[in-house]
Amino acid sequence: QLVLTQSPSASASLGASVKLTCTLTSRHNSFAIAWHQQKPQKGPRFLMKLYSDGRHKKGDGIPDRFAGSSSGAERYLTISNLQSEDEADYYCQTWGSGIRLFGGGTKLTVL
Amino acid sequence: QVQLVQSGAEVKKPGASVKVSCKVSGDTLSDLSMHWVRQAPGKGLEWMGGFEPEADETIYAPEFQGRVTVTEDTSTDTAFMELSSLRSEDTAVYYCTTETGTTSSDAFDLWGQGTLVTVA
Repeated sequence: QLVLTQSPSASASLGASVKLTCTLTSRHNSFAIAWHQQKPQKGPRFLMKLYSDGRHKKGDGIPDRFAGSSSGAERYLTISNLQSEDEADYYCQTWGSGIRLFGGGTKLTVL
Repeated sequence: QVQLVQSGAEVKKPGASVKVSCKVSGDTLSDLSMHWVRQAPGKGLEWMGGFEPEADETIYAPEFQGRVTVTEDTSTDTAFMELSSLRSEDTAVYYCTTETGTTSSDAFDLWGQGTLVTVA
């Protein structure tokens, strides 16, 4: 069964970098995912599509501070030079024939 | 610029049905695969159903099978999600979201602004 696992919370200081992780079930380690950002009281925003080989395609207007990478069944979102406006929930999402699935989300706090 | 514009907030009684709309502007609905996602207060995102291009049919999450119906009116580029037999646990913000393209499944890359449905 396809499952996406995310840590519930993460924190980092203003100006620092943070790496969020989304883990696929091992037998689904070839799947691409998407990262979505949801700021407080707002709807989700598509950040990027991330492939198993680390290639990623960002949405319109997404700053260069946001980058994706992959290793095995893990998919990463690295945010550099953290800004206060990056404080948000981050969800990974994947898809396949007959299924669409979200991870539980990671709440990022900028200290 | 493609946008998804949803209908306004709804308040419904338990047992009733609700129908939420999502209008596409800047593109045509036929060029997109529309899906619906909900978010209960303080909870994560939950996929409900949508168009599966690989099967050329609408599919639903098992949790909602039999209670949710997703339809489209291509003449007005508007998609609809109807949820029946409402209960208090259905209180949530409902989002429409699209996959670009209609030949294979893909990432959700555009979101509507959300519609709050309150069941009380």
